[in-house]
Parts: sequence; C-alpha cells; structure tokens
Amino acid sequence: DGGITQSPKYLFRKEGQNVTLSCEQNLNHDAMYWYRQDPGQGLRLIYYSQIVNDFQKGDIAEGYSVSREKKESFPLTVTSAQKNPTAFYLCASRGALYSNQPQHFGDGTRLSIL
Amino acid sequence: SQQGEEDPQALSIQECENATMNCSYKTSINNLQWYRQNSGRGLVHLILIRSNEREKHSGRLRVTLDTSKKSSSLLITASRAADTASYFCATDLIKAAGNKLTFGGGTRVLVKP
Repeated sequence: DGGITQSPKYLFRKEGQNVTLSCEQNLNHDAMYWYRQDPGQGLRLIYYSQIVNDFQKGDIAEGYSVSREKKESFPLTVTSAQKNPTAFYLCASRGALYSNQPQHFGDGTRLSIL
Repeated sequence: SQQGEEDPQALSIQECENATMNCSYKTSINNLQWYRQNSGRGLVHLILIRSNEREKHSGRLRVTLDTSKKSSSLLITASRAADTASYFCATDLIKAAGNKLTFGGGTRVLVKP
C-alpha cells in the first residue's frame, strides 16, 4: 500500500550529537513537510520541499537541516544547535501543488534527550 | 497566534452523544481540512471543505464552513469510544508559499463508554 514511512519510531540523542530522522514516501508526491509537535500542542512547520533539490525554511527551522536528493526521501537532521529537541516529529507529503488535496502523514518519530 | 484555533481545547462526552468542535481562522483560504490524531500516531485526514462549500458530510462526520465569520465546525454524531483522539483543523491559505497548511492547536476529545 502507498504511504509514508518514518524511522526510527523512538530516538535518543546525546548532548552535542546530531541525529537524522528518516522519511520515505511511495505516493509519488512532489511536496514533503516536517513538523514538530510538543505535548498537547499543535503542529509547527520546520522545513518543506516542493520539488527535488529544493527546500524552504518553515516557522521553526533553527537547529534543523534537511535534504531532498530524491523525490521519495526527505530526511531531517536535528543538530546540536537545537537546544530543546525533545518532541514528536511528523513527516507529511502532498500531491500536486496548489490543488485541493490533503496531506498524508507518517506515524512519527519521538526524540528524547539522554 | 496560529491561523487556525480550535475551541474547546478539550471535550469529554459519553458514548452515543454528539461532539462539536470549532475552528476560527484569520485570512482567506482555499480550503479547510480536519484531521484526527490518535495518541502517539500521525494525523489522519478526515474531511476537506473548499471555500465555496458550506457543508460536507462523511459518515458520522459533518463539517460546516462560514467564510464570512472565518470559522468552521466539526460535528461527530453518535460518538464511540474509538472516536477518542485529538482533532485538528488546518487551513490552506490563498497564495501560501509551498502549498503549506497551517494547523491549529487541536481539540482533545474523550469519549467515555
């Protein structure tokens, strides 16, 4: 079945360490998104990409980096510059640009500090 | 504050009762979408209502949109314990860069058996 796969489900980061969260989709979607969700809160946009080899900062990009080398993949790196990385991270994708379509979400990665 | 804001923040009802939650937004939209999130999971799309539509149904769900008041409501009829989840509205803004959605803070719904 088509969908979005995020891995790992749980991730622990040591101080000063960079960690990378994986997001893969087989929906043939052009646009992909990374969100951060803190407990009991809504979603905040970190980065998004409309097309391969292009990405844009969202509302809370500081301390994060992304790449989009393949249409199917949009990994997120949480760098040591992100001082409060503990959160639930969600990846999403969307079909044709500027059309009335929903976003499809993965099941998230929960990141914690060791 | 966020573009979409849900009200109430939390809602507790008995099984078979109806649950209503509201979403207000600030700027013109292409469409408004409702999502459900079960604890520890990703969001699941429920309904998309376009700016030129006033009401939409899907099973036990009914969504209304009032663009003059910049508000939407989600009604879950005959609720079940399995409806326990957080519900988010998301606005698809006109001319939003990157085809982005803007999410509200959510309504946490507890359906008691």
